[in-house]
Amino acid sequence: DQQVKQNSPSLSVQEGRISILNCDYTNSMFDYFLWYKKYPAEGPTFLISISSIKDKNEDGRFTVFLNKSAKHLSLHIVPSQPGDSAVYFCAAETGTASKLTFGTGTRLQVTL
Amino acid sequence: GAVVSQHPSRVICKSGTSVKIECRSLDFQATTMFWYRQFPKQSLMLMATSNEGSKATYEQGVEKDKFLINHASLTLSTLTVTSAHPEDSSFYICSARDPRTPNQPQHFGDGTRLSIL
Repeated sequence: DQQVKQNSPSLSVQEGRISILNCDYTNSMFDYFLWYKKYPAEGPTFLISISSIKDKNEDGRFTVFLNKSAKHLSLHIVPSQPGDSAVYFCAAETGTASKLTFGTGTRLQVTL
Repeated sequence: GAVVSQHPSRVICKSGTSVKIECRSLDFQATTMFWYRQFPKQSLMLMATSNEGSKATYEQGVEKDKFLINHASLTLSTLTVTSAHPEDSSFYICSARDPRTPNQPQHFGDGTRLSIL
């Protein structure tokens, strides 16, 4: 049972444009959501997070939006840069000390 | 710099071998560490929660006799894949949260690529 889903396995965006990565979840008990960036043969690197009490969190070029009623979150990267090319995972957890549930990942390719 | 170190980064060995993977928290003490596994083009799946001084908590479907976890100190957790077979080939990643900043995300190691021939 995949509780966190990323329905787009891949995304290609031109440099300078906006990248939008989507994530859906089914477990209404999730109260904290995170986005991680991952390169091959490396561990995930934390990007940005959002608590369920908020609907938007912004950090530089990265913005995460949360729609609790739709159980949907998205990561916006603007402007996209070639160095952003990686696999992006969304993750969710309940509480601050519990395990993370990851989505299946979206491979972002930023082209010149 | 890295705050969670994982070793080795890559292991290639014969079927039937037992393989030990270490996960260390470098500048904090972690009473809890997490072990994940990632198959190619799939999600990171939590295998078990490693608890210092007590038994690990395994996720459903993960064989505890196959994947032995030892968390003997506050900075080290080990995962031993016993009698490994080709189907155990995967990318294993550990993580830990710094208790000094409980609201901050977990730190991940760089993973171990395990290949069983």
